[in-house]
Amino acid sequence: AQTVTQSQPEMSVQEAETVTLSCTYDTSENNYYLFWYKQPPSRQMILVIRQEAYKQQNATENRFSVNFQKAAKSFSLKISDSQLGDTAMYFCAFGNNDMRFGAGTRLTVKP
Amino acid sequence: DTGVSQNPRHKITKRGQNVTFRCDPISEHNRLYWYRQTLGQGPEFLTYFQNEAQLEKSRLLSDRFSAERPKGSFSTLEIQRTEQGDSAMYLCASSLAPRVNEKLFFGSGTQLSVL
Repeated sequence: AQTVTQSQPEMSVQEAETVTLSCTYDTSENNYYLFWYKQPPSRQMILVIRQEAYKQQNATENRFSVNFQKAAKSFSLKISDSQLGDTAMYFCAFGNNDMRFGAGTRLTVKP
Repeated sequence: DTGVSQNPRHKITKRGQNVTFRCDPISEHNRLYWYRQTLGQGPEFLTYFQNEAQLEKSRLLSDRFSAERPKGSFSTLEIQRTEQGDSAMYLCASSLAPRVNEKLFFGSGTQLSVL
């Protein structure tokens, strides 16, 4: 069974600075996808970024980028130039036929 | 397209009662997922459908839980004989297969409180 682990329950960062959220996973599969989802206080889950396991190049999406280390089964999210609106719960997720989520990291961006 | 719609947004019930939630996915999406989320935790997978076929059910889905998607469009999740431990946010999401790892589009959820 696939498991997703987020070891940082809470993190904070000053506005305009950079923060990295960690995620590790366990799977025996070779082809899969990894995701970071954001859940603001409204609780609507929003996709932040997606990485295909067969691609070596790390995905980027504006201020968001990932560091995907397939051998280490690590998938961290870097948020650059943090904004107050980035304050939310961030969930790492592993996807193949279904989606499994980590327990989340609560990120607070401080002014 | 208005996205994934879930009804009701909130449900308060007494222990032992039955409840039913509805999810209307994005119209062209053929995969539909149900998740349960408790406060401070990530969503826990419950079950998913491809069209009307229920392809996987989590061990979390006890025999008190049943989900249907009779015509491959909307889905219902029923909980019989509710227990206080069933209190949670129930999230529905949809996606387009066979590209199953297209991003999931989530609804706003149904918050269940069992008294």
